Amino acid sequence: DQQVKQNSPSLSVQEGRISILNCDYTNSMFDYFLWYKKYPAEGPTFLISISSIKDKNEDGRFTVFLNKSAKHLSLHIVPSQPGDSAVYFCAASEAGGGADGLTFGKGTHLIIQP
Amino acid sequence: DVKVTQSSRYLVKRTGEKVFLECVQDMDHENMFWYRQDPGLGLRLIYFSYDVKMKEKGDIPEGYSVSREKKERFSLILESASTNQTSMYLCASSPPGQLNSDTQYFGPGTRLTVL
Repeated sequence: DQQVKQNSPSLSVQEGRISILNCDYTNSMFDYFLWYKKYPAEGPTFLISISSIKDKNEDGRFTVFLNKSAKHLSLHIVPSQPGDSAVYFCAASEAGGGADGLTFGKGTHLIIQP
Repeated sequence: DVKVTQSSRYLVKRTGEKVFLECVQDMDHENMFWYRQDPGLGLRLIYFSYDVKMKEKGDIPEGYSVSREKKERFSLILESASTNQTSMYLCASSPPGQLNSDTQYFGPGTRLTVL
């Protein structure tokens, strides 16, 4: 059973507009959530994270929103730029996290159109 | 900057061969991980290690083993490679588990093809 779900395999957004990537989870023990960005032929790179004690975290053009009651989080990118075209993975961990690995979603391929 | 390196970017092996994938990190991280990435399946955890000589199974350990003899090096071993192990293998490391340290640093990946 998939504990972290990204239901959109791909998303196409026009340059300059907002990109919204969604992620749902089922494990109520998850309390830390991360987004990774992956270009072809490279390893994923950390983008932004959020702890379950918050409902929003912002870093420049990237904002992550967490709705604990709905077990849903989203990544907003505004404005979208061509370099944002990549696969985005949502990941989650339980309390204390790093030693137990992360549970990843299947990824969403974001395509920014000029 | 944390650097995680993997011994090969591309590897082609035959069914039944023993395969070693090596990963080295230079930040003295306690935790190291091996994932595989397959289209439509995302990243799946194979094994992880939280200290030298310690190892724990991840979600899909079957057909794999690991070795952590030194803190900086974590090896993934395919005892007898099979075609369904054709995949992209990603190594990662992270400092000891604290909420603000849960980010994992990934290597560039090894694209393994088993013929």
